[in-house]
Amino acid sequence: DAGVTQSPTHLIKTRGQHVTLRCSPISGHKSVSWYQQVLGQGPQFIFQYYEKEERGRGNFPDRFSARQFPNYSSELNVNALLLGDSALYLCASSPIRTDGYTFGSGTRLTVV
Amino acid sequence: AQTVTQSQPEMSVQEAETVTLSCTYDTSENNYYLFWYKQPPSRQMILVIRQEAYKQQNATENRFSVNFQKAAKSFSLKISDSQLGDTAMYFCAFMKREGGGSNYKLTFGKGTLLTVNP
Repeated sequence: DAGVTQSPTHLIKTRGQHVTLRCSPISGHKSVSWYQQVLGQGPQFIFQYYEKEERGRGNFPDRFSARQFPNYSSELNVNALLLGDSALYLCASSPIRTDGYTFGSGTRLTVV
Repeated sequence: AQTVTQSQPEMSVQEAETVTLSCTYDTSENNYYLFWYKQPPSRQMILVIRQEAYKQQNATENRFSVNFQKAAKSFSLKISDSQLGDTAMYFCAFMKREGGGSNYKLTFGKGTLLTVNP
């Protein structure tokens, strides 16, 4: 069974640019969440989607947006990148919302 | 808002020995879930153990067990017979339903870096 897959694994962008990160959940998992992990910190919640609807949003600016597709895969979009957006972005999926989430290996975003 | 505190930034243990990682949390909720995740240098966050707050019995998974003290809001992780592969960052995390809807988010602590020495 494939785990949670994220692409790309690494990305370098310039300030002001836009980025799209992608996530494919484990087959059968309908809940997808996104987390931002800054170096030396625990992950911070960005979004949760369940059955293609946004079910929660963390304390992040409107530059951050996401969506979930009919096949339950998801995209995280970040506009007008800032240096402070440099982080590891983790996607997690779960069959039901209170199970322990299964995480992907993340996308390392560097903004220069 | 919930907070999760891990007071030990770093710990080390000799191979085959036992180590306990501490975690405390702050919440006014009665129903919630607690987790320990492991993050090795490969970056992938791996679920180690899960505890449901309404269950009094402490969860165990092979060499990993927890000491859940609900009244004290404490959730420590004990690793027995430590192995070199246990070297990783360990995160304690809290989950509950948010806002009366169906948002279940994880709130993580800052982590404890565990090094297992040969």
